[in-house]
Amino acid sequence: AQSVTQPDIHITVSEGASLELRCNYSYGATPYLFWYVQSPGQGLQLLLKYFSGDTLVQGIKGFEAEFKRSQSSFNLRKPSVHWSDAAEYFCAVGSLEYGNKLVFGAGTILRVKS
Amino acid sequence: DAGITQSPRHKVTETGTPVTLRCHQTENHRYMYWYRQDPGHGLRLIHYSYGVKDTDKGEVSDGYSVSRSKTEDFLLTLESATSSQTSVYFCAISEGTANYGYTFGSGTRLTVV
Repeated sequence: AQSVTQPDIHITVSEGASLELRCNYSYGATPYLFWYVQSPGQGLQLLLKYFSGDTLVQGIKGFEAEFKRSQSSFNLRKPSVHWSDAAEYFCAVGSLEYGNKLVFGAGTILRVKS
Repeated sequence: DAGITQSPRHKVTETGTPVTLRCHQTENHRYMYWYRQDPGHGLRLIHYSYGVKDTDKGEVSDGYSVSRSKTEDFLLTLESATSSQTSVYFCAISEGTANYGYTFGSGTRLTVV
């Protein structure tokens, strides 16, 4: 079965600092990987996704993520965080072998200090 | 998201009563999903549908049923609500295979007292 681990429940960074949110997945075949962001009281918005090709993917809002098969990781990065980035971030994994269903991590809450 | 709406947005109900949550989409997507979101658990799949009248269970389906009689509507029913079903429920849609990802609704906050 697929599983996703986001090791950090909370992360606090200063505005303007760089950010990296970790995501590790457990799956045997080729995964499809996603990062979603959820602002308070809102639904989830897709930031970026990877399913093939270049392992460094660019997303919206200046975010990027790198797929590392050897480490089973798909970490999200941003070079300079803005106060508006404060939200909860979810990593998700899917695959054709597991049907058209995504498995989500428990989420990482990002706080931004001014 | 304009293509997917959930109703109601908030509901308080009593233990033992039936509750139905509605998800409506205007995108004509084949796949629809119901997830629940709880702190520390992220989103967990309750049920999903891969077409009209075609549904299947997710990892936390006990106590829930679903129906999909039209492409655009996916209903989630709690037959007899319990306090453990207090949660935020999200509907999601997908136009195709897993690599497409999902579009989410805004969620329904359900409180069972």
